[in-house]
Amino acid sequence: ETGVTQTPRHLVMGMTNKKSLKCEQHLGHNAMYWYKQSAKKPLELMFVYNFKEQTENNSVPSRFSPECPNSSHLFLHLHTLQPEDSALYLCASSQEGAERDEQYFGPGTRLTVT
Amino acid sequence: AQSVTQLGSHVSVSEGALVLLRCNYSSSVPPYLFWYVQYPNQGLQLLLKYTSAATLVKGINGFEAEFKKSETSFHLTKPSAHMSDAAEYFCAVSAHAGGTSYGKLTFGQGTILTVHP
Repeated sequence: ETGVTQTPRHLVMGMTNKKSLKCEQHLGHNAMYWYKQSAKKPLELMFVYNFKEQTENNSVPSRFSPECPNSSHLFLHLHTLQPEDSALYLCASSQEGAERDEQYFGPGTRLTVT
Repeated sequence: AQSVTQLGSHVSVSEGALVLLRCNYSSSVPPYLFWYVQYPNQGLQLLLKYTSAATLVKGINGFEAEFKKSETSFHLTKPSAHMSDAAEYFCAVSAHAGGTSYGKLTFGQGTILTVHP
């Protein structure tokens, strides 16, 4: 595997379900991000982890719970979601503090909440 | 604070024609600027990046962008469009000061490029 991978690629869940999104980066980076991409809206930064420490929480509802067990893995735990949470969830990673600190994105998980 | 405005949510060109996608930014500190491309059902791929070196930046797939501080612009161009360029394009800005990246990208709303045969 190379780059940033995300699983599953598609997820349909009911409002009472609990599910998790997984992201893994194979680039040796030290920072990871969750973004939400909804139709007709700009990408929204949700969470930032730097060296496994959460450094940003962009006023995200508590029904979204991130977890970063190490610098290569990032999870987004979902529970009691709402239909408006249906979106493409993108994970990204970067090497913070380096000259080339651009973010590399995974393919995303298309989430549908019914 | 920083923001990005992409002028035109949809741009349509003929194959072989010039591609021009507009991006204006606002930043309280010297910015780093990016263009990303997103093909259907895929994540974002970095096209090019401005980091305060050369104002004309060349990227992948024949794209380039010019940083104009006086106009607070970072427009993306390609001399000759190809059918494979059809995608959504995002301009983004991040804040940097003293050589430290804050790691926060602010994205524009995106521009969908359609290429006609």
